[in-house]
Amino acid sequence: QVLLQQSGPGLVEPSQTLSLTCVISGDIISDSSVAWNWIRQSPSRGLEWLGRTNYRSEWYNDYAEFVKSRLTIKADRSKNQFSLQLDSVTPEDTAIYYCARGYFFDFWGQGVLVTVSS
Amino acid sequence: EIVMTQSPATLSVSPGESATLSCRASQSVKSKLAWYQQKPGQAPRLLIYAASSRATGIPARFSGSGSGTDFTLTISSLQSEDFAVYYCQQYNHWPLFTFGPGTTVDIK
Repeated sequence: QVLLQQSGPGLVEPSQTLSLTCVISGDIISDSSVAWNWIRQSPSRGLEWLGRTNYRSEWYNDYAEFVKSRLTIKADRSKNQFSLQLDSVTPEDTAIYYCARGYFFDFWGQGVLVTVSS
Repeated sequence: EIVMTQSPATLSVSPGESATLSCRASQSVKSKLAWYQQKPGQAPRLLIYAASSRATGIPARFSGSGSGTDFTLTISSLQSEDFAVYYCQQYNHWPLFTFGPGTTVDIK
C-alpha cells in the first residue's frame, strides 16, 4: 500500500513562498514508471494539476503554464520525498494542496489547506 | 488546454436507483480518462482509469465507458456511501492534465 504524507504550513503571507513536502512510503520516488504530482483544489478554480516530477535516468519536471514561472518541484531520493515551492503567493493561491502518484492519480496525500493572508 | 465539462452539475437519486454521469472533452483524449469520487474532507479517490477499468477495490456497481470526447460513469444501485462529488480527468494531452468541474450526486 502506498501512503503519501504531506506537511507544511497552513498560513502563508502574500508575496512569500509556499513550501510543502510529501513523504512517500510503499513506493520508491525514483521508480521510472510513475510520476509524482502536486494538485490543488479551491471552490473557485476546482481541481488544478500544478506539476509533476519523474525519474528516467535523470529528473524531469513538468509544470502547468499558469504557475510555471513561480513553481519548483524537487525530489529527494535519500528521503523518498518530493516538495513544492510556490513563490510570490497571492490570496488566489489559497487552496487545499495535494500530492498524488501517477498520470491518473491512484494514491493521494491527505491534503493541506493553505491560506494566503496577512 | 483540453477543457473538460461534466453534466449534470447535480444529480438527485434515490438509494437503489442507478445514476449516469457524463463527461466531455474539448478534443479527443482517446481512452485516457479517469473518474474520481470525493467526499467532504477527503482527497479524491480513483474509481476508473483508461475510461473503463476499475481501480483496485472499486465495487462492480461502478462502470465507465466511452472514448474520444464523450464518456460516461454509471453507478448502478446506489448505496448510501456513493453520495459524493464525481470528477473526470484526462491524461492524454501533456503536460497539462485537466479535471472536469464535477457532478454532485445527492439523495433524492
